[in-house]
Amino acid sequence: KQEVTQIPAALSVPEGENLVLNCSFTDSAIYNLQWFRQDPGKGLTSLLLIQSSQREQTSGRLNASLDKSSGRSTLYIAASQPGDSATYLCAVGSLDYGQNFVFGPGTRLSVLP
Amino acid sequence: EAGVTQFPSHSVIEKGQTVTLRCDPISGHDNLYWYRRVMGKEIKFLLHFVKESKQDESGMPNNRFLAERTGGTYSTLKVQPAELEDSGVYFCASSQGSGRIYEQYFGPGTRLTVT
Repeated sequence: KQEVTQIPAALSVPEGENLVLNCSFTDSAIYNLQWFRQDPGKGLTSLLLIQSSQREQTSGRLNASLDKSSGRSTLYIAASQPGDSATYLCAVGSLDYGQNFVFGPGTRLSVLP
Repeated sequence: EAGVTQFPSHSVIEKGQTVTLRCDPISGHDNLYWYRRVMGKEIKFLLHFVKESKQDESGMPNNRFLAERTGGTYSTLKVQPAELEDSGVYFCASSQGSGRIYEQYFGPGTRLTVT
């Protein structure tokens, strides 16, 4: 059974800091991993998709890495801004679980001005 | 391009009543997924359509839940009769294809409250 965990559960940082969010999964037989952000009361916004054959993806100030063998992905946010405050979710697409995602519980990020 | 839309945004019903949630995927997306988050839990998969066919419904909690996607366009998720534990946020997502290269795009969700 695929299980996804995210550390830390919550994080509060001053504006301008670089930060790393962690996602771990138990079954390395994945085909992709997607990072999302969720603002309060809103839906999920896709940030980055990493395919199983890739090691990282970048979009603007965001960089996501994937290490399948160790069951880990990290989301790096450079020069954080108050607008980055949201809950960040990682979702793992596993070969043994059809074409759907297994989600982690999320990391709640607060960037203080 | 319009994103995934869901209706209603919020529904409050009494235990034992019926509720139907609707999802309109991004135009041209053959794959449609339903997920839900109940209080304090992670988002969980419910089912996956490819066009009008149910590809995977392993996450459906019980037979009180019925999902349809007639014509392979929009989808409905009916809960009948609703129970208290059905309260939560129901998300719909769509993707152009299925597999490792395809992103899933999520709608804003429908918040269901069963009293």
